[in-house]
Amino acid sequence: QIQLMESGGGVVQPGRSLRLSCAASGFTFENYAMHWVRQAPGKGLEWVTVISYNGSNKYYADSVKGRFAISRDNSKNTLYLQMNSLRAEDTALYYCATWNDSGFDSWGQGTLVTVSS
Amino acid sequence: QSVLTQPPSASGTPGHRVTISCSGSSSNIGSKTVTWYQQVPGTAPKLLIYSNDQRPSGVPDRFSGSKSGTSASLAISGLQSEDEANYFCAAWDDSLNGRVFGGGTKLTVL
Repeated sequence: QIQLMESGGGVVQPGRSLRLSCAASGFTFENYAMHWVRQAPGKGLEWVTVISYNGSNKYYADSVKGRFAISRDNSKNTLYLQMNSLRAEDTALYYCATWNDSGFDSWGQGTLVTVSS
Repeated sequence: QSVLTQPPSASGTPGHRVTISCSGSSSNIGSKTVTWYQQVPGTAPKLLIYSNDQRPSGVPDRFSGSKSGTSASLAISGLQSEDEANYFCAAWDDSLNGRVFGGGTKLTVL
């Protein structure tokens, strides 16, 4: 079955960096755009970034533009999120997810990033 | 402040019907399809409705979606205790070049 498994979260000091990974299985990863969505504790969902199926197009939320970078390795069925210059407000559960307009929709269980001194 | 506006809470009694609204603009709901998610605390969001009014297989027909202009609605009929959860609407936004979500509506089954 379709599975997305995030890893790489943890506690990090403000200003430092962290790289998240998302391992995909159960579907043809290279055919789908992939997203990162985050959810601060007790808050709603916030879309972070998207990468096209082949990596040629990337878009970011204004809140992370210039600090975060999304990438993918289709040979490894893996999605990445490089997070630099982390701030307290980046503290959240980070989900990798994919969806289309035809009802295909899948989310991982999330990895928790805590930015604190 | 979320781009899509939802009421923070809604409630209903078992067996009754409740609707949750989602208001946006011409750059998102007005020109793109709407998706609805259900999220039980501690779990990942679950797809309820896609393309405004389509239900994935496995979602009961008690759940229905609609869209008109720059607003959308999720209706839940025959309310059950297991429907108690948070509900989020979402749509792509052409101005922001990203997906936008509503702030979420916490549904309480009284």
